[in-house]
Amino acid sequence: GAGVSQSPSNKVTEKGKDVELRCDPISGHTALYWYRQSLGQGLEFLIYFQGNSAPDKSGLPSDRFSAERTGGSVSTLTIQRTQQEDSAVYLCASSPNRRWNEQFFGPGTRLTVL
Amino acid sequence: AQSVTQLDSQVPVFEEAPVELRCNYSSSVSVYLFWYVQYPNQGLQLLLKYLSGSTLVKGINGFEAEFNKSQTSFHLRKPSVHISDTAEYFCAVSDIEAAGNKLTFGGGTRVLVKP
Repeated sequence: GAGVSQSPSNKVTEKGKDVELRCDPISGHTALYWYRQSLGQGLEFLIYFQGNSAPDKSGLPSDRFSAERTGGSVSTLTIQRTQQEDSAVYLCASSPNRRWNEQFFGPGTRLTVL
Repeated sequence: AQSVTQLDSQVPVFEEAPVELRCNYSSSVSVYLFWYVQYPNQGLQLLLKYLSGSTLVKGINGFEAEFNKSQTSFHLRKPSVHISDTAEYFCAVSDIEAAGNKLTFGGGTRVLVKP
């Protein structure tokens, strides 16, 4: 079946602009995660959604970052007023609702802020 | 809170030679342990996991890892590598009791297999 998909695969933007990154999880997966992979910080957790519960936003680096998940499926990560340090690969993962969940990762969106 | 240290940022190795990638973690709570692999321009793929039980776990592509609680380590091994094992490998942990299983990753180890 289809895996996790992300769009766009690459995004180049100018400093100060807003960007939206999209994630389509595996059908039926109730949990969805965003991670960021950057040269300086490595791989770091950003936010987690589980069903209709309030998201765990503990990893968001600043209030410029926000995410939503509509209808328990597609998720959008929004970065407002982008800065050069936001340049990174943004990875999305989804998992089924079990006690332990294997996370299935998408290919990522490479964001470059000029 | 947890932290993960991968002691080697790069490991060059000849084809058909063994390889060991070292991972140590620090945590005040019990954790699950994972190794993920990332091939060039791809997402992460789970290699293996330790949840409970036998401390020696076997994964895909001939990899195995051993959980050592006293040394808080989870080293990854493969007895004979192939060119196709060239990739970046990430060790990760998650808090057993926390909701969500969010992962804390190490810095990664780049493995370059030479012919």
